[in-house]
Amino acid sequence: GAGVSQSPRYKVAKRGQDVALRCDPISGHVSLFWYQQALGQGPEFLTYFQNEAQLDKSGLPSDRFFAERPEGSVSTLKIQRTQQEDSAVYLCASSLQQGAINEQFFGPGTRLTVL
Amino acid sequence: KQEVTQIPAALSVPEGENLVLNCSFTDSAIYNLQWFRQDPGKGLTSLLLIQSSQREQTSGRLNASLDKSSGRSTLYIAASQPGDSATYLCAVSGSGGSNYKLTFGKGTLLTVNP
Repeated sequence: GAGVSQSPRYKVAKRGQDVALRCDPISGHVSLFWYQQALGQGPEFLTYFQNEAQLDKSGLPSDRFFAERPEGSVSTLKIQRTQQEDSAVYLCASSLQQGAINEQFFGPGTRLTVL
Repeated sequence: KQEVTQIPAALSVPEGENLVLNCSFTDSAIYNLQWFRQDPGKGLTSLLLIQSSQREQTSGRLNASLDKSSGRSTLYIAASQPGDSATYLCAVSGSGGSNYKLTFGKGTLLTVNP
């Protein structure tokens, strides 16, 4: 079956623009995660959904970052008034059930460049 | 706060060599540990998941071990091939209420030369 997909794969934004990044998890996966990966670093946790409920948003760097998953499937990460420090690869992952015992499967990421 | 360190940061070996990648973590109270592979411009591919009650996992030429008490894991790659060239990332999930949250190391960049 299809894996996790993300769109767009690449996004260039001018500083101050708003952007929206989309994630389609594996069908039937309950849990969905967003991570941010800066150049040369490992991914860092941003937020976690179980179905449509956002259970943890402790990793979001500022209130300019907002994520939603209104129907418990597709998720959107929105960044308002982008800044240069927002430039990174944004990775989405999903897992079959809640809890850490289940492997997280990652999408290809969206590379965001803020000029 | 959990910190994950991977050594070495980069490794270059000739084809056919057996090699070991190291991962250490500061808080031994983990739920599980995952090893991932990341190819340039691509997402992460899960290689092996070791639950905290397990000591090792094997998949093909890959073997991962976990010593939770000492905060260490190793990924052993046998008979390396040029296609193994990638960045290898280690990640641990915390215990308790945040056991879904992965904390990653910075990775080891592996180059296998033909």
